[in-house]
Amino acid sequence: GAGVSQSPSNKVTEKGKDVELRCDPISGHTALYWYRQSLGQGLEFLIYFQGNSAPDKSGLPSDRFSAERTGGSVSTLTIQRTQQEDSAVYLCASRRTSGVLTDTQYFGPGTRLTVL
Amino acid sequence: GENVEQHPSTLSVQEGDSAVIKCTYSDSASNYFPWYKQELGKRPQLIIDIRSNVGEKKDQRIAVTLNKTAKHFSLHITETQPEDSAVYFCAAGRTYKYIFGTGTRLKVLA
Repeated sequence: GAGVSQSPSNKVTEKGKDVELRCDPISGHTALYWYRQSLGQGLEFLIYFQGNSAPDKSGLPSDRFSAERTGGSVSTLTIQRTQQEDSAVYLCASRRTSGVLTDTQYFGPGTRLTVL
Repeated sequence: GENVEQHPSTLSVQEGDSAVIKCTYSDSASNYFPWYKQELGKRPQLIIDIRSNVGEKKDQRIAVTLNKTAKHFSLHITETQPEDSAVYFCAAGRTYKYIFGTGTRLKVLA
């Protein structure tokens, strides 16, 4: 079946511009996560969605970062006024539920963001 | 805050040798410990996991051990093969949230 998909796969932007990154989770998965992976670093948690609500936004680095999820499916991560330190791979993951911890997180292929 | 330390950051082994990666977590409420493998340019994929009520779990050439008292867990790969070369991430989870380690780049030398 179809896995988690993300678009675009690569995004190059100029400092100060806004960008939108999209995630399509596996159909029926209620839990959705955004992570940031900087070069040589681990997976930094950004935000968690249960359905359309985001009970944990604690990982968003600044108020330039926001995310929404509609219809319990597609999610968009928006970065406003991008800075060079925002350059990273942004990974999305989904899980069937969040109530059973051993439900596997399935990752998307990521969006590589480069801010010039 | 919650933290997972992972060591070593890089590891080179000869084909056929064993590899061990170690993680330490800070949140004593963590009760689920997955390991992910990320090949170059690809997405992380779950390779094995362990729950807090289990001390060891094996799946063919890979095994995980957990010491809840010491709050550390390890990944063991035996009879390493070139296709094991990748970055491996540990994570400690409770309820909905996973905290990931910084990753170990494993190189298996032929």
